[in-house]
Amino acid sequence: DAGVTQSPTHLIKTRGQQVTLRCSPKSGHDTVSWYQQALGQGPQFIFQYYEEEERQRGNFPDRFSGHQFPNYSSELNVNALLLGDSALYLCASSLAYGETQYFGPGTRLLVL
Amino acid sequence: QKEVEQDPGPLSVPEGAIVSLNCTYSNSAFQYFMWYRQYSRKGPELLMYTYSSGNKEDGRFTAQVDKSSKYISLFIRDSQPSDSATYLCARYLQGAQKLVFGQGTRLTINP
Repeated sequence: DAGVTQSPTHLIKTRGQQVTLRCSPKSGHDTVSWYQQALGQGPQFIFQYYEEEERQRGNFPDRFSGHQFPNYSSELNVNALLLGDSALYLCASSLAYGETQYFGPGTRLLVL
Repeated sequence: QKEVEQDPGPLSVPEGAIVSLNCTYSNSAFQYFMWYRQYSRKGPELLMYTYSSGNKEDGRFTAQVDKSSKYISLFIRDSQPSDSATYLCARYLQGAQKLVFGQGTRLTINP
């Protein structure tokens, strides 16, 4: 049983560029949440997708957007990258109203 | 005041010691509390979780919630070098459907 998978593992971009990160949830899960983890900090909630719609959103600007596909996989898009967007981006999957979230290995984004 | 506060450490103890990791929270609503372990350059791994109050034990790990003082703890018995990692506490608020994390405590178990 595959757990949560994310791609790519690492990414280097320059300021102003756009990036797309991808996530496949754990088998049987239908809800995907995205978190940003800066170095030395705990993960911060970006948003959650369920039934192909954004269900909850954290305190992140509109430059951060997402999508969920019918197979429950998800994408995180970040436009107009800033240096401060450099972080580990984590995807977590869960059941629709389940409290337990399982994380993927993350995508490490470096913005130069 | 942050919703979940955690001492970032670092914490260094000898192998075999009992480790106590702690967090405080500010919201009194019914909620779940989670403990995640994160190895360097990896994603967080769910260790265990408890509902609003009480203890939960799983092998060498015990999670404890003290509602009166808004304090949550993770105890590790017979600590091993493989326990060296960053430990993250988090609360899950039903309805918000999101996890709110503490900063994480970096733990090193010395052989």
